Amino acid sequence: EPEVTQTPSHQVTQMGQEVILRCVPISNHLYFYWYRQILGQKVEFLVSFYNNEISEKSEIFDDQFSVERPDGSNFTLKIRSTKLEDSAMYFCASTTREDLVDEQFFGPGTRLTVL
Amino acid sequence: ILNVEQSPQSLHVQEGDSTNFTCSFPSSNFYALHWYRWETAKSPEALFVMTLNGDEKKKGRISATLNTKEGYSYLYIKGSQPEDSATYLCAFINFGNEKLTFGTGTRLTIIP
Repeated sequence: EPEVTQTPSHQVTQMGQEVILRCVPISNHLYFYWYRQILGQKVEFLVSFYNNEISEKSEIFDDQFSVERPDGSNFTLKIRSTKLEDSAMYFCASTTREDLVDEQFFGPGTRLTVL
Repeated sequence: ILNVEQSPQSLHVQEGDSTNFTCSFPSSNFYALHWYRWETAKSPEALFVMTLNGDEKKKGRISATLNTKEGYSYLYIKGSQPEDSATYLCAFINFGNEKLTFGTGTRLTIIP
């Protein structure tokens, strides 16, 4: 069964460093998302991406964040200058979204630890 | 700000017993409600997508109901098994946007 994959599973970085989190969505999906969960808090929406453009983003997704689909398979989230409060589990999701009711398929997450 | 709440936050259930938990969400501008099961170190897995008031969906021993007028959904597990141990997340989609707004989750532990 096709699945969303994410690498790395765990990333440790120093405050102020840039990180790139990688995702490979399911191959025929057209809509891509990033969510994050800070320990002990709710899963929060960051950004959605369709047709090589951001279609919606949350207040969290400020100028320090960017997303890219550099080729036909990868979908990346870049944090330019990490802060301590960026430590969280980051989830990628994808869907065909023929309808908003279509389920979003999630990857296993990347745990980002900022020291 | 959309508020999606789940209760209880955690639950211990004896193997073989049945259980249920709740998701409450804003009743205005409802579009869809998703239920996910999330086992530690795995991807959240979709259980149900519910859209219609009065909807009831079933997958094996797990079922869910939806009341959009009063803004709640129940998830039921019949005859709990150890493999049901997971965090169960509900997520709401508001009419007019595409993001999932998640609840806090209910962490279910089945005691053998």
